[in-house]
Amino acid sequence: NAGVMQNPRHLVRRRGQEARLRCSPMKGHSHVYWYRQLPEEGLKFMVYLQKENIIDESGMPKERFSAEFPKEGPSILRIQQVVRGDSAAYFCASSVFPLGGDGTEAFFGQGTRLTVV
Amino acid sequence: DAKTTQPPSMDCAEGRAANLPCNHSTISGNEYVYWYRQIHSQGPQYIIHGLKNNETNEMASLIITEDRKSSTLILPHATLRDTAVYYCIVRDNAGNNRKLIWGLGTSLAVNP
Repeated sequence: NAGVMQNPRHLVRRRGQEARLRCSPMKGHSHVYWYRQLPEEGLKFMVYLQKENIIDESGMPKERFSAEFPKEGPSILRIQQVVRGDSAAYFCASSVFPLGGDGTEAFFGQGTRLTVV
Repeated sequence: DAKTTQPPSMDCAEGRAANLPCNHSTISGNEYVYWYRQIHSQGPQYIIHGLKNNETNEMASLIITEDRKSSTLILPHATLRDTAVYYCIVRDNAGNNRKLIWGLGTSLAVNP
């Protein structure tokens, strides 16, 4: 059973371009979470999705950022018109059931490191 | 804001037990405590979680105090590969939120 797969591992974009980050959850997992990590900081929650639905996007910036988790295919985190401040590591996690209340753990991918030049 | 408090750094000698403390004094009765670690530049790795009772798996043991306001992660025989940042986390119970709130963790250095 493959783990959570994220690609690309490294992504370089010029200011103003679009960045698309992909996350394939573990087999059988229908809950996906995206986190952002700046250097020397902990992970910051961005968005929680269940198949075809956004459950909680309270951590997403209001502009330029969007996420989806279609019925088929990976979850996509999309950043439009990137700026230097978007440079960070973006991690995706997946779980079988909704996370936390029932003791379900989430498994993380290796992240995508976005560099905006 | 993180709901947990951890020391920023700790050292441990290789082969010795590493005891990592965590305070979560505002934890709710039905909230689990999770521990993850992050080795440099890698994705977080799940270690263990618990609610009330002490837990043990192949990686570590988790000791939770009776009042559930603090816990300790124990790596019984630390190796150099256990050098990482260790995060103690509880869930945000606000509304329908199901996100885990991450603090800055404890940077554990295992020394030869």
